[in-house]
Amino acid sequence: GIQVEQSPPDLILQEGANSTLRCNFSDSVNNLQWFHQNPWGQLINLFYIPSGTKQNGRLSATTVATERYSLLYISSSQTTDSGVYFCAVGDSGGSNYKLTFGKGTLLTVNP
Amino acid sequence: DVKVTQSSRYLVKRTGEKVFLECVQDMDHENMFWYRQDPGLGLRLIYFSYDVKMKEKGDIPEGYSVSREKKERFSLILESASTNQTSMYLCASSAGPDEQYFGPGTRLTVT
Repeated sequence: GIQVEQSPPDLILQEGANSTLRCNFSDSVNNLQWFHQNPWGQLINLFYIPSGTKQNGRLSATTVATERYSLLYISSSQTTDSGVYFCAVGDSGGSNYKLTFGKGTLLTVNP
Repeated sequence: DVKVTQSSRYLVKRTGEKVFLECVQDMDHENMFWYRQDPGLGLRLIYFSYDVKMKEKGDIPEGYSVSREKKERFSLILESASTNQTSMYLCASSAGPDEQYFGPGTRLTVT
């Protein structure tokens, strides 16, 4: 099946710093989503972005499907950004409803 | 706002018991999903359903079954719970292939 690798596995920032999280995938995709899991375990969808660029406030994401990677940018980070960020993809050879998740990037933002 | 609720936040069961995990969504979504989350492994899809009484296996269906008798409700069943099924179980729903909305999770411990 499709492989999803996220980097870095851990990231520690001071409040106000910017960061870039990366997601590499091993095959063509028909679905790509970024999620944030807060310290209480709740998963929130950030972006549905199988290709192109999107922005939502301080967060933006870019997927270059032909090169098999996606990037999540966090600007002016806040302590509430702490948690685990997951990239999940749907293999274009299968159902675009079936997502394969990466292992996540654990982000800690210190005040 | 989409609301996905799960019947229990924490559950403790004994080996061999039959376990039911319930998930309800209030947005008339066609698609519902069950995942398990384990440390270091990210989220893995167990089953999903794209319509009432319709289901499809995910990546790790062994030891689990599902039931969807009504559109808003999707149940995960552990026919005979085993200790290796101790995990966090997450339910999600979606209208289409984009934006999956997650419930708060059920932390199941099998002793």
